Amino acid sequence: ELKVEQNPLFLSMQEGKNYTIYCNYSTTSDRLYWYRQDPGKSLESLFVLLSNGAVKQEGRLMASLDTKARLSTLHITAAVHDLSATYFCAVDFPFGNEKLTFGTGTRLTIIP
Amino acid sequence: ETGVTQSPTHLIKTRGQQVTLRCSSQSGHNTVSWYQQALGQGPQFIFQYYREEENGRGNFPPRFSGLQFPNYSSELNVNALELDDSALYLCASSKGRDGYTFGSGTRLTVV
Repeated sequence: ELKVEQNPLFLSMQEGKNYTIYCNYSTTSDRLYWYRQDPGKSLESLFVLLSNGAVKQEGRLMASLDTKARLSTLHITAAVHDLSATYFCAVDFPFGNEKLTFGTGTRLTIIP
Repeated sequence: ETGVTQSPTHLIKTRGQQVTLRCSSQSGHNTVSWYQQALGQGPQFIFQYYREEENGRGNFPPRFSGLQFPNYSSELNVNALELDDSALYLCASSKGRDGYTFGSGTRLTVV
């Protein structure tokens, strides 16, 4: 059974600082997704990482994928308050039905 | 291009009742998946529909059932509601593995 783990679960950081969220998964997969969720809201797609070594950046967020290590990272640069949210990574199998297995989520709070 | 629309946005039901949640898929998407997200947790896969057939199911009892219609919209039905069914129910449409578009969700409260 595919398991996806994120750490940390909770992250409180000051504005202007850098930090990284880690996502480990247990079974080979070639595709990883990052989502953002604001309280009471749905999931907003941030990145789709399609291959080993993939790196994508959007504003202050950068995501990378290492399929050999079964690890993805979401790096936050010079955090601002608007980035406060819960971040989820999710993995799907390359074979079989297209279902996403989500990580536990990282609740990020940016302190002014 | 229209997004994924879910209805209703909020719902309160009594234990033992039945509920139907609805989802319209994004234009061009032929697959719809349903997820349950309990408070403070990540979404859990319920099931998926492709071309009106169930195409995979998560660890949910048979009282969770669904339908997909020819226009690719979908329904999630839950019978004999339990208190633990209280959650945010998310619908996602997709075509292949290129990406999943999530709807705004339905918040179900069972009292």
